[in-house]
Amino acid sequence: AQTVTQSQPEMSVQEAETVTLSCTYDTSESDYYLFWYKQPPSRQMILVIRQEAYKQQNATENRFSVNFQKAAKSFSLKISDSQLGDAAMYFCAYRSIIQGAQKLVFGQGTRLTINP
Amino acid sequence: DAGVIQSPRHEVTEMGQEVTLRCKPISGHNSLFWYRQTMMRGLELLIYFNNNVPIDDSGMPEDRFSAKMPNASFSTLKIQPSEPRDSAVYFCASSLWGTVGGTQYFGPGTRLTVL
Repeated sequence: AQTVTQSQPEMSVQEAETVTLSCTYDTSESDYYLFWYKQPPSRQMILVIRQEAYKQQNATENRFSVNFQKAAKSFSLKISDSQLGDAAMYFCAYRSIIQGAQKLVFGQGTRLTINP
Repeated sequence: DAGVIQSPRHEVTEMGQEVTLRCKPISGHNSLFWYRQTMMRGLELLIYFNNNVPIDDSGMPEDRFSAKMPNASFSTLKIQPSEPRDSAVYFCASSLWGTVGGTQYFGPGTRLTVL
């Protein structure tokens, strides 16, 4: 079974600075998808970014980018120019490509605080 | 476009009562997921459907939980009888299986409190 580990329960960063959230995972599959979701106090789960394992290029979405290291099974999220609205819980998630195994496997989450 | 719709947003009930949570997926999506979020166990899948057919219900805690998807635009998660340990936030998510990534989009969640 796949597992996802986020080793940083809490992180904080000054507004406008850059912060990196860590995520590692364990799988025996060669192709899969990885995601970062954001959960603000409203508790809505919001997709931040997605990475396909077969792509070597790291995904980027505006101020959000990932560092995907397939061999190391590492998938970190970098937030540049942090904004107050970025404060939230961030969850890393894994999803198999196998039909019948579509569930997301989540890490424990990292609570990100932005200091003004 | 409307996102995933869940109702109610909050539910407070007493132990032993029946609870029904409802979900309307994004129009055109063919996969629907029910997740539960608790402090102790984090986010975990309860069950999911493809084309209205249950595919994986291994996360359903016990027989007190049941889920149905009578058509492509509606699903229910029922707990009968409810217990205090069922208190959690229940999320419904939908996706379009077959597209690259099959990204799951989440509803706002239902916060259930069982007294």
